[in-house]
Amino acid sequence: KNEVEQSPQNLTAQEGEFITINCSYSVGISALHWLQQHPGGGIVSLFMLSSGKKKHGRLIATINIQEKHSSLHITASHPRDSAVYICAVRQTSGSRLTFGEGTQLTVNP
Amino acid sequence: DTAVSQTPKYLVTQMGNDKSIKCEQNLGHDTMYWYKQDSKKFLKIMFSYNNKELIINETVPNRFSPKSPDKAHLNLHINSLELGDSAVYFCAASGGEGNTIYFGEGSWLTVV
Repeated sequence: KNEVEQSPQNLTAQEGEFITINCSYSVGISALHWLQQHPGGGIVSLFMLSSGKKKHGRLIATINIQEKHSSLHITASHPRDSAVYICAVRQTSGSRLTFGEGTQLTVNP
Repeated sequence: DTAVSQTPKYLVTQMGNDKSIKCEQNLGHDTMYWYKQDSKKFLKIMFSYNNKELIINETVPNRFSPKSPDKAHLNLHINSLELGDSAVYFCAASGGEGNTIYFGEGSWLTVV
């Protein structure tokens, strides 16, 4: 079993829908990252969280340290949001990042 | 300027060859990484360097060797390439306030 689990693995939505991607982890962490990978491959860091909630534009990320769970929300989704979203945790034992397997999001017009 | 740049972006080579992928970061961060992304899009860490010292070396074949001539560079050398080495290799750097991680654009390696 992966130390970082994401759900769902694949998600298809209609433009305008509210989207939630979940991440659960089983190790002690100092921070959690949400990454976005577009077709063509480049990876961009969206958020880094150690507690609470962060918002950037239509993207919102939350983390519950006690429950070892984080969510990434996209409001008013758009086809350009179509990408793979990856959760990664920085373990407290060193600087290593452990990745979830990613969620493939497709937003249809 | 690109924060983390890696070259080449695409590399097609024959089995048995030796190849290198270069990575440079202009962020001044202390930690650099090499990740391998397999066909299922799963990212796995290969190496991590903190200020030119290797601090993580996951169980990758010793045909793979990282070389860090200075804090801004972490190159990946691969000897005796095998078909299974075909993947996308990502360089990354982290540090600074919040310890954000920045990725290069990836290097697509195809071994034929």
